[in-house]
Order: sequence, then C-alpha cells, then structure tokens
Amino acid sequence: DTGVSQNPRHKITKRGQNVTFRCDPISEHNRLYWYRQTLGQGPEFLTYFQNEAQLEKSRLLSDRFSAERPKGSFSTLEIQRTEQGDSAMYLCASSWASGGTDTQYFGPGTRLTVL
Amino acid sequence: EDKVVQSPLSLVVHEGDTVTLNCSYEVTNFRSLLWYKQEKKAPTFLFMLTSSGIEKKSGRLSSILDKKELFSILNITATQTGDSAIYLCAVRGDGGTSYGKLTFGQGTILTVHP
Repeated sequence: DTGVSQNPRHKITKRGQNVTFRCDPISEHNRLYWYRQTLGQGPEFLTYFQNEAQLEKSRLLSDRFSAERPKGSFSTLEIQRTEQGDSAMYLCASSWASGGTDTQYFGPGTRLTVL
Repeated sequence: EDKVVQSPLSLVVHEGDTVTLNCSYEVTNFRSLLWYKQEKKAPTFLFMLTSSGIEKKSGRLSSILDKKELFSILNITATQTGDSAIYLCAVRGDGGTSYGKLTFGQGTILTVHP
C-alpha cells in the first residue's frame, strides 16, 4: 500500500500527558499537512510543510503543539500537557505541489481521546 | 478568513434517487475547490475543480463550479447504499501565506436507505 500512513491509529491518554503521532506521506510527495477533525465538523487546518520547511501554522496550533518533518519525509505532531479539548481525529495529508492546484491525499487518521 | 458553507447538513434518500449537494464559499484568490467522501475513516478524493462551467464526472457522480456566484454542486444519480457517507467540500486560496491549506465545510451527511 503506497498511501499515506499514520501511527498510532488510536491513542488514549490522561490529561497532562504528552503524546506524539507519526505520519508517513506518499513517497516523493513534497508537501505534508496536518488537520484536526472533531465530531460533526470538517477537518481544520493545523500546519503544513514543504519538504523540511514548516510554511504555515494555524492559530489553532497553540504552543503546546509542535510539528516536525526533519528529513522532508515523515512528520511527527506532538501535543504537550494534553487537555480534554484536544480529543479529536488528527489527519495527515500529502501532495506533490504543482502550480497551486495539487490534490491532498489523506491518511487514516489518529483518534486521540484525552481522559 | 476563508469560509465554506455546505447544504443541506443531512439528507436521507432511498436507493435510486438523485441528490444534489451544495457548497458555497468565500476565499482570497481562489485556486481550487475539492470534493471528498468520508466514511468511517479519512476523506477520499473525488474531484478538483478550478474552472467555471466545466463538469467533472466519474461514474454516477458529477460536479460543477460557478466562480462568479461562488458555489459548486455535487450530483449523485441512481444512489446506492454504498454512497452513504459525509461529503466534504474544501477550497484553497492564495491569500498571503495561505498557500497550502484547505478550508473545509462542515460536510453533508448522506444516508441512502435500501
């Protein structure tokens, strides 16, 4: 399977703990995106990378959130001191940037539950 | 700030019916509009539209964009129970640094009964 993969698929944690999610994009895709989706809503943009560079961060991304893409391939999203409001599905997508009309392909998501 | 509004929020039909889903948007320097289908997992890509008046078609699904009136529709003919899903509309603009992100609507929940 050469699609976008995410790990873990599910994560349950206690409030105050740190969690880290991983995303492996489609091979050779140079753009990688993180979104968050809560029940009954569409995905909300968090941040994106072009190669190693983090080009945009949403104001939704508080200072407890950090994302990296150290070698321009896989990416990690870390949430520190989790809060119950962080419970959501975290989606990763990737694309090959070409003239601003690239198509983003999504992974299966990581569902986070903060108790 | 970019904005996408979808209607209806939910729709219940019987197999064989035809449905039309609506998406209106506001975006700085429009680049593209995308439709996704979401079942109990990640959104799967359906269509990308960049030009007005050109219909995109795939089997029983079709979509068209009106850039003057700032809306798109997604049509599904001869619906099947497998079409039951959330249909998401998203737009991409080119406003300042917002060069990569998609702004999604809240989705239309389609339920097709046998």
